[in-house]
Formats: sequence, structure tokens, C-alpha cells
Amino acid sequence: SYELTQPLSVSVSPGETARITCSGETLTSKYVSWYQQKPGQAPVLLMYKDRERPSGIPERFSGSSSGTTLTLTISGVQAEDEADYYCQSADITVVFGGGTKLTVL
Amino acid sequence: QVTLRESGPVLVNPTETLTLTCTVSGFALSDPRMGVAWIRQSPGKALEWLAHISSNDEKTYITSLNNRLTISKDTSKSHVVLTLTTLDPVDTATYYCARTLGYPQDWYFDLWGRGTLVTVSS
Repeated sequence: SYELTQPLSVSVSPGETARITCSGETLTSKYVSWYQQKPGQAPVLLMYKDRERPSGIPERFSGSSSGTTLTLTISGVQAEDEADYYCQSADITVVFGGGTKLTVL
Repeated sequence: QVTLRESGPVLVNPTETLTLTCTVSGFALSDPRMGVAWIRQSPGKALEWLAHISSNDEKTYITSLNNRLTISKDTSKSHVVLTLTTLDPVDTATYYCARTLGYPQDWYFDLWGRGTLVTVSS
């Protein structure tokens, strides 16, 4: 199996840009999806196939990749973006990253 | 409207077997574009994928649970069932079912149920 590594926490002020990374040796050949989870709620799909945004997800959320690192970028962070964020990849089996807590200061 | 809803026991004794049902609506379990997965989350911990079942009944499991898991579906009832045997307190978690899109090399979960909290304790 393989692992996906995320920072435990990221903090930004409202209006700033937050970047959450997801690293893994196999990510050069796999797609990554991103999920947002607020306390007491189920995860919500934010991004799939690295950079595709489902309908209904604000444009301030974007995804990018560089080698073995994928990045979820949240531009113009709002208070409501405070949540846990998970990356996920698949290759017959599925792996989630450890999650990143985004704090909006 | 597409929804998924988990149901099952809230409290289970150690060593017993857990059976959870995911009832889906708004899409068919026979749709070749979609599958259903079970994912759990222990309190304060990360998400952990457990199993997946495809429209053609192909099943995939997390390797670490040592054959304790079984996933099945009843297309006529729109049910996907997960069983987990030999329960231990570490299996205490919120269990989610989620709709899967894509191919095995790029599976992602576009819709999730609300989850059901299962506590393993005597």
C-alpha cells in the first residue's frame, strides 16, 4: 500500500490564500481528490482528478499538481472554510491522507 | 435527488458481528458508471476506506482488516450491506457509505451518507 502525507494544520487570515498539500511517492501516476469535512458532518467532495471541481463548489477552490505533491488552494479564504480537508487517491484500493485542519484566524 | 442513508446498530458487543445497510435513492446500483463504498472514521481520526462494490458486483477490500469484511448488494432493494466480524473497541467509528465514480485507478466519492456512529463496548 502507499501513504498520503498532509500537514496537520494550516492557519490563514480571512481573505488570504490557503494552500494544503498532499504528498505521496505514487502521485505522479495517480489522480487525487479532495474533501472538506466540517465538525459533525459528512465529507463533501471539493475536487476530483487533481483539478476538476464538481458543480456547486466555489471557484475559490482549485487544485494543482507538481511531481509527487498535489495542492489544494483556497483563494480569498472565508470563515466558513474552516474545516478538515482530506486528500484521497486510488489504485484498486483507496487511501486517504491524514487530514489537515484549516483554521481561519 | 440522490441520497445515501446508513442504518444499523448503535452499540455492539466486542467479538460480535456488525451489519450495516446503506440505502440509496436517485440512482441504480446497476448503473455501470457508479459503485458504492464504505468508509469509516474513528473519533478524532482520519477517514479510512473499507470496501467497494461495483455495479457488476466486483468487490474490493482494505487489506489490513484481514478478511473480517464482506460487502454485498441487493439491487432490487437499493441496499449495500457491510459486515464486519470479530468486533473490537478500536472498531468504534462513524461509518459512511458513499457513491463512487470513476475507474479503480481514479475512484472518487461524489456523494456521502450522513454516517452512523457505531460504538463497540460491553
